[in-house]
Amino acid sequence: AQSVAQPEDQVNVAEGNPLTVKCTYSVSGNPYLFWYVQYPNRGLQFLLKYITGDNLVKGSYGFEAEFNKSQTSFHLKKPSALVSDSALYFCAVRDMNGYNFNKFYFGSGTKLNVKP
Amino acid sequence: ETGVTQSPTHLIKTRGQQVTLRCSSQSGHNTVSWYQQALGQGPQFIFQYYREEENGRGNFPPRFSGLQFPNYSSELNVNALELDDSALYLCASSLGAPSGTSGKGTQYFGPGTRLTVL
Repeated sequence: AQSVAQPEDQVNVAEGNPLTVKCTYSVSGNPYLFWYVQYPNRGLQFLLKYITGDNLVKGSYGFEAEFNKSQTSFHLKKPSALVSDSALYFCAVRDMNGYNFNKFYFGSGTKLNVKP
Repeated sequence: ETGVTQSPTHLIKTRGQQVTLRCSSQSGHNTVSWYQQALGQGPQFIFQYYREEENGRGNFPPRFSGLQFPNYSSELNVNALELDDSALYLCASSLGAPSGTSGKGTQYFGPGTRLTVL
């Protein structure tokens, strides 16, 4: 079965500092990995995805993610955090097999707090 | 924004009632997925529709049902509402057949419908 884990419920970082939000995955076959952000009382906004190719994926709003096959990780990063980045971040893996093809499995989410 | 719209924004129902939630997919997208997001949790997959047929289902009872229309819009119906059904219901649309290499589409989410069951 496909799954992702986000080991940190919350990440605190000062504005201007680099940030990392962690995600590990467990899949059968090739992983199709995604990051989404959710602001209060809003739906999920797509940030970036890894399908194949370069291990460093660049996405929206200056975010990037590093795919590491040996560590089965897909950590979200940003070189310099902004207060406006404060939100809930979800890692997800897309099922590519069988009847539930295209089903997304989401992690439990990590709340990012960026302090001025 | 993504172009996926959902209605209504908020809904309050009582136990035992039935509810219908609606979703309009992003232009050109032919696949719609529904998710339930309970407070403090990640979204949980309910089911997916492709070309008006269910094409994938999560661990939800049969009282959760859906439809997809020829214009790719979709409905989620929940019968015999329970208190635990209180959640944010998210619709996501994507492009491409569920099977095959073309099915690598990103899912784009709507703003959600907040359902409260009293």
